[in-house]
Amino acid sequence: NAGVTQTPKFRILKIGQSMTLQCTQDMNHNYMYWYRQDPGMGLKLIYYSVGAGITDKGEVPNGYNVSRSTTEDFPLRLELAAPSQTSVYFCASNPDRGNSPLHFGNGTRLTVT
Amino acid sequence: AQSVAQPEDQVNVAEGNPLTVKCTYSVSGNPYLFWYVQYPNRGLQFLLKYITGDNLVKGSYGFEAEFNKSQTSFHLKKPSALVSDSALYFCAVREYDQGGKLIFGQGTELSVKP
Repeated sequence: NAGVTQTPKFRILKIGQSMTLQCTQDMNHNYMYWYRQDPGMGLKLIYYSVGAGITDKGEVPNGYNVSRSTTEDFPLRLELAAPSQTSVYFCASNPDRGNSPLHFGNGTRLTVT
Repeated sequence: AQSVAQPEDQVNVAEGNPLTVKCTYSVSGNPYLFWYVQYPNRGLQFLLKYITGDNLVKGSYGFEAEFNKSQTSFHLKKPSALVSDSALYFCAVREYDQGGKLIFGQGTELSVKP
């Protein structure tokens, strides 16, 4: 049972480049989330999705875009990378918005120089 | 808006001693509270949750948490710490307005020394 899988694990980007962080889950969860983790700041929500075809902004969406064409996949797109986007990115999923815990991937460490 | 706070950036404990990692919350309505642990270069792993009912919640790896409504606290505890418990711990509260997202505290680094 793979759970939530994120690729790549690490990436270095130059300022202005673009990339897509991949996230896929095999648990048939409707709810998916993208968080970024910065030291001493906890995790901040970037975007979330409550089902295929539905996405919405979280607390820190600027500079990012997402899509949700299938239940399994929730890619995060950075169009013009900036140093402020240097962070660790986590994808998570949940079967519902009740009291089930979120399932997290192992993260993507991104450095923008 | 819901929020949680972890007042300690770091907690140091000797192996075999009890440990406490503190968390306070601010919510409107009944809180749904969670504790997660993060080991280096890994994602967050669920430890335990409080939904309703008993104020002492038992979770994974021998951890438990005490919910205190009057003090708006949800402290994580373990009777006897292990070196392998050294990790980053996050308290979180569920927010129902944004797809059931979790709102996280800033994290507490737990260091258990032999």
